[in-house]
Amino acid sequence: DAGVTQSPTHLIKTRGQQVTLRCSPKSGHDTVSWYQQALGQGPQFIFQYYEEEERQRGNFPDRFSGHQFPNYSSELNVNALLLGDSALYLCASSSLTGQGASNYGYTFGSGTRLTVV
Amino acid sequence: QKEVEQNSGPLSVPEGAIASLNCTYSDRGSQSFFWYRQYSGKSPELIMFIYSNGDKEDGRFTAQLNKASQYVSLLIRDSQPSDSATYLCAVAPSNFGNEKLTFGTGTRLTIIP
Repeated sequence: DAGVTQSPTHLIKTRGQQVTLRCSPKSGHDTVSWYQQALGQGPQFIFQYYEEEERQRGNFPDRFSGHQFPNYSSELNVNALLLGDSALYLCASSSLTGQGASNYGYTFGSGTRLTVV
Repeated sequence: QKEVEQNSGPLSVPEGAIASLNCTYSDRGSQSFFWYRQYSGKSPELIMFIYSNGDKEDGRFTAQLNKASQYVSLLIRDSQPSDSATYLCAVAPSNFGNEKLTFGTGTRLTIIP
């Protein structure tokens, strides 16, 4: 049973550029959430996608946008990159329609480490 | 005031002893509470979740919740070197925790052989 897969694992971008990160959720999960984790900090919620719609959004600027596809996979796009966008970007999948204890909490992917120079 | 507060540590515990990790939260409407373990350079891994007041045990781990005091803790018995990691406390507005999670900054735990 495949877990959450993210690509790429590492990325180096220049200030002002745009980046797209990709995520495939765990089998059976229908919801994808994106988190940003700066060094030494806890993950910060960016947004969540369910049924191809942005369901919830955290306190992030409009430079951060996303998309969910019919197969539940998702993309995170960041425009006009800033040095402060350097972080580990985590994708987490869950199920809003499933039942049982297996649907508690998230399953996180291994993350994409983005470095902006 | 931060929404979820944890002592950043580092917390050093001898091997075989009990490690006690604490977390307080500010939103009284929070319904479920999670402990994630994160090894250096890796992604968070769910260890325990709890949504009712009291204790919940799973192997060497015990989560404790006191909603009146807005306090949740994690006890690790018979600590092993492999328990050395950062422990993240997270809270959620629903009973399932599959909506927005609010994380603390984590407590770095080191088990001393």
